Order: sequence, then structure tokens, then C-alpha cells
Amino acid sequence: GDSVTQMEGPVTLSEEAFLTINCTYTATGYPSLFWYVQYPGEGLQLLLKATKADDKGSNKGFEATYRKETTSFHLEKGSVQVSDSAVYFCALSDRSNDYKLSFGAGTTVTVRA
Amino acid sequence: SAVISQKPSRDICQRGTSLTIQCQVDSQVTMMFWYRQQPGQSLTLIATANQGSEATYESGFVIDKFPISRPNLTFSTLTVSNMSPEDSSIYLCSAPLGNTIYFGEGSWLTVV
Repeated sequence: GDSVTQMEGPVTLSEEAFLTINCTYTATGYPSLFWYVQYPGEGLQLLLKATKADDKGSNKGFEATYRKETTSFHLEKGSVQVSDSAVYFCALSDRSNDYKLSFGAGTTVTVRA
Repeated sequence: SAVISQKPSRDICQRGTSLTIQCQVDSQVTMMFWYRQQPGQSLTLIATANQGSEATYESGFVIDKFPISRPNLTFSTLTVSNMSPEDSSIYLCSAPLGNTIYFGEGSWLTVV
């Protein structure tokens, strides 16, 4: 079945540091890939997405590229801020599976001033 | 973009009681999904709710414990029945629009 493997945290960084969170997936079809973010005490928000190979999703300075050859969708940000402290979830949706989402375990990121 | 709202946003519930969570989408959607996020964990799909048919439950979840209604294309409810402290979780509804899947803000339940 479909699955997502995500870099485990927690990750602690200083402000303006570079952030990478690794995400790899296993899917039978051609999934869409997502990064969701959950800020402390809040629900789940879509951060970015990519629907086909070589697509790059970007939002709020975050980027991730859909790499079919390596089955990866790593999240990157060049200069993090304290406000980026959150839990980040990588997820995939196999559209042939009725849009059910398979989530990674989540990575807790803490950015210190 | 779609807006999905849930009620209640938070609640503290007594053991043995039941609570119904409502989910409203501002557009008509064919499928709606209910997820659970236990403390410190990732999200697990409970069931898929399609209008006009019974919900489809994932392994480990049963209708008697998590009855779901889907009376129309913009609304669904999830009931958590006979609650125990192990049911303390965030319950989230979601719906796909186009190729994006949106989530409600979540309903944070604590069972005491």
C-alpha cells in the first residue's frame, strides 16, 4: 500500500538557518504530494503541493520538488524564522484511491531566536 | 480556496458520553473524510463519507463507535460514542477540491 517515510525529529535550528526535511514515498499509481503544517495549538494547513513529476511546490519561502526517480519530496527553506516553529507532515494522495491521504509521522521543528 | 469549518473546536467530555462533531464545507464535494490525530501522533484516516451511502471505515474503526452522517454535499457529522480517555484526540474532517485536499481546523477532544 501507499506509505510516506519522513525524517524524524525533533529538529532545532537557529533563526536564518537552512531547513531540510526529508520525505520519501511508496505508491502504486501517480500520487499527488503535499506538505502540511500544524502550528502549536492549531489545525492542519496546506503548505504546498505538487501533482506530477518535476513539479515544484512553493509557499512562504518553503519549496519541495516532486522527484519521481528518487520517490522523494523533500521540504526546504533557506532562512527559517521563529514563526516557522511547527510540526510538518508530508503526505500523498493516490487519486486512484479516492483521495485518501497517507501521512508521514510528522517532524517537529523548533526555531530559536 | 475551500473553507471547511468544524464544531466544536474544543471540548472536555465525560467518560461514557458521546459527542457529535460537525463539519461544514463552503462548496459541494463528493467525498469527505474524517481523520484522528492522537496526542503527539500523525493523522489516521477513520472513514470516508459519501453522500447518499454509508460511510466506509478503515481497519480498526467501526460504525458503532464512530457513526457518521452525510445528509448532503456540504455537511457531515462524526460521533464519538461511549468515550474513554483513549479517545482524547484531535478529530479533523477534510475534503478534496480539484487536486488539493483541505482540512478543517480540527476538534480537540479531551475525555476525563
